[in-house]
Amino acid sequence: GEDVEQSLFLSVREGDSSVINCTYTDSSSTYLYWYKQEPGAGLQLLTYIFSNMDMKQDQRLTVLLNKKDKHLSLRIADTQTGDSAIYFCAESLYGGSQGNLIFGKGTKLSVKP
Amino acid sequence: KAGVTQTPRYLIKTRGQQVTLSCSPISGHRSVSWYQQTPGQGLQFLFEYFSETQRNKGNFPGRFSGRQFSNSRSEMNVSTLELGDSALYLCASSSDSTGGLEKLFFGSGTQLSVL
Repeated sequence: GEDVEQSLFLSVREGDSSVINCTYTDSSSTYLYWYKQEPGAGLQLLTYIFSNMDMKQDQRLTVLLNKKDKHLSLRIADTQTGDSAIYFCAESLYGGSQGNLIFGKGTKLSVKP
Repeated sequence: KAGVTQTPRYLIKTRGQQVTLSCSPISGHRSVSWYQQTPGQGLQFLFEYFSETQRNKGNFPGRFSGRQFSNSRSEMNVSTLELGDSALYLCASSSDSTGGLEKLFFGSGTQLSVL
């Protein structure tokens, strides 16, 4: 079945880089996504990558995609305390299926000053 | 532009009762999806509506239902509440996928506690 897996916790020091990893199962996913959830809030779309790309950079965020291994990572450069949140990776079934994203259980990022 | 609005923010019910949650999407968005978020199961897809029609449904029992109105506002209903229905219910809207890209915009959710 479809499953998206992530490690549950990551702790880094302010100013370091954070790398959050994810594995997914649906090779037909057209896009893969990273969402961020702060306490008491809904999810916010951070970035996404098209499946025929290997890398996408957006300011402090770098997304790497290894389609052969179905591995996705999110790197946050110069991590700040404001980056503390839960990060979810997600894939869409069947290459994009009307609001139905499959989410991982989220990686809780803690940034220590 | 106003974001996705969900009401109420918090809700406490007892087992056996029914509940209705409301979601107002971003203006111009015609697709509304609902997700259930729990610590154990994470985010699970409930259903998605587009132009008042349910297009997609997750693996939840028939006690969970929804609808969408002509102004794209959506409601979800849970009947005969069980303790396990305690969760954060998130609504997301989108302007519909183009070439498979799903940009979902989430509300802050309704925290439902079933006692």
